[in-house]
Amino acid sequence: GIQVEQSPPDLILQEGANSTLRCNFSDSVNNLQWFHQNPWGQLINLFYIPSGTKQNGRLSATTVATERYSLLYISSSQTTDSGVYFCAVEGGSYIPTFGRGTSLIVHP
Amino acid sequence: DGGITQSPKYLFRKEGQNVTLSCEQNLNHDAMYWYRQDPGQGLRLIYYSQIVNDFQKGDIAEGYSVSREKKESFPLTVTSAQKNPTAFYLCASSQQVNEKLFFGSGTQLSVL
Repeated sequence: GIQVEQSPPDLILQEGANSTLRCNFSDSVNNLQWFHQNPWGQLINLFYIPSGTKQNGRLSATTVATERYSLLYISSSQTTDSGVYFCAVEGGSYIPTFGRGTSLIVHP
Repeated sequence: DGGITQSPKYLFRKEGQNVTLSCEQNLNHDAMYWYRQDPGQGLRLIYYSQIVNDFQKGDIAEGYSVSREKKESFPLTVTSAQKNPTAFYLCASSQQVNEKLFFGSGTQLSVL
């Protein structure tokens, strides 16, 4: 099946800093989504982005499907951004496959 | 309020016991999924259902069973055959496959 690798595995930031999270995938995909899991375990869908660039407030995402990667940008980070960020891709099976996530801690 | 409801939030299983985790959605979604999350790990797919009365095994289906008798409900049974059931279980749904995925708040299952 399709392989999904996320980097870095862990990230520690000071409030106000910017960061870039990366998601690489091993095969062509029909869909890619980014999620944020808060410290209580709830997963929130941030972006549905099979290709191109989208922005939502301080967050933006870019997927370059031909080169098999996606980037999630967090600007002016806040403590509420802490948690785990997951990338999920759908290949030919159309079933979401998740990476292992990037754990982000934002200090005040 | 539309969404996905998982219950209970916490569940304890005794040796040799089957337990059932509930997942209900009022989003009128066709597709539903069960994922297992272990500490520090990503989400692994247990079962999925694209339509009522049909479901398919995911990557780690052994020791689990599901049913999809109603569009809004997709319960997961953790059987006694699952030797390492302690994990966080997440239910998700989407309008159809290949569309935006939404999650419930999860059930933490532990073994007594």
